[in-house]
Amino acid sequence: GQQVMQIPQYQHVQEGEDFTTYCNSSTTLSNIQWYKQRPGGHPVFLIQLVKSGEVKKQKRLTFQFGEAKKNSSLHITATQTTDVGTYFCADSGSARQLTFGSGTQLTVLP
Amino acid sequence: GAGVSQSPRYKVAKRGQDVALRCDPISGHVSLFWYQQALGQGPEFLTYFQNEAQLDKSGLPSDRFFAERPEGSVSTLKIQRTQQEDSAVYLCASSPRTRVLTYEQYFGPGTRLTVT
Repeated sequence: GQQVMQIPQYQHVQEGEDFTTYCNSSTTLSNIQWYKQRPGGHPVFLIQLVKSGEVKKQKRLTFQFGEAKKNSSLHITATQTTDVGTYFCADSGSARQLTFGSGTQLTVLP
Repeated sequence: GAGVSQSPRYKVAKRGQDVALRCDPISGHVSLFWYQQALGQGPEFLTYFQNEAQLDKSGLPSDRFFAERPEGSVSTLKIQRTQQEDSAVYLCASSPRTRVLTYEQYFGPGTRLTVT
């Protein structure tokens, strides 16, 4: 089945530094959704990207969908301690389900 | 209104026991999903309901796993003869539409199952 690879697996940054996580697939992605899961919590929807080359911003977060729809990225500017958590990308594929990447666990050091 | 709720939040079962995990989706949500999340991994799809119809159960790992949603609202995931490899967090999610490819999913807090 389709696999969605996500890198890096872990990222430690100093508060105020930027952070980026990348999502890659060998096949064309349908729609990309991004979720955040706080330690001990559950995934919470952040955003959905649908169109090739799409860029969306939410305050300090910038989401991109690749031109070929095979990759996506999430960039956080000037991280804060509240950004701590695991960020997952997920592809909806052609089925009625989400295929999640393995996630990037972000630690922000104060 | 209230979000997705799941019970119990924690369950410890001895190997070979049967367990039942409950999910109460957001009221009015048509679509309901079950996922299994192992430690340090992303959620993995188990099964999908549209109202009371189970339209996809391709992710259920074995015939020991069974899910139902008889009245199109509350859902139960049952695992028979639990094995250690069943230890994971079981997440339930609901979505307000049937066109699930374009709508976000709302996740519950999960049930952490530990099989000893």
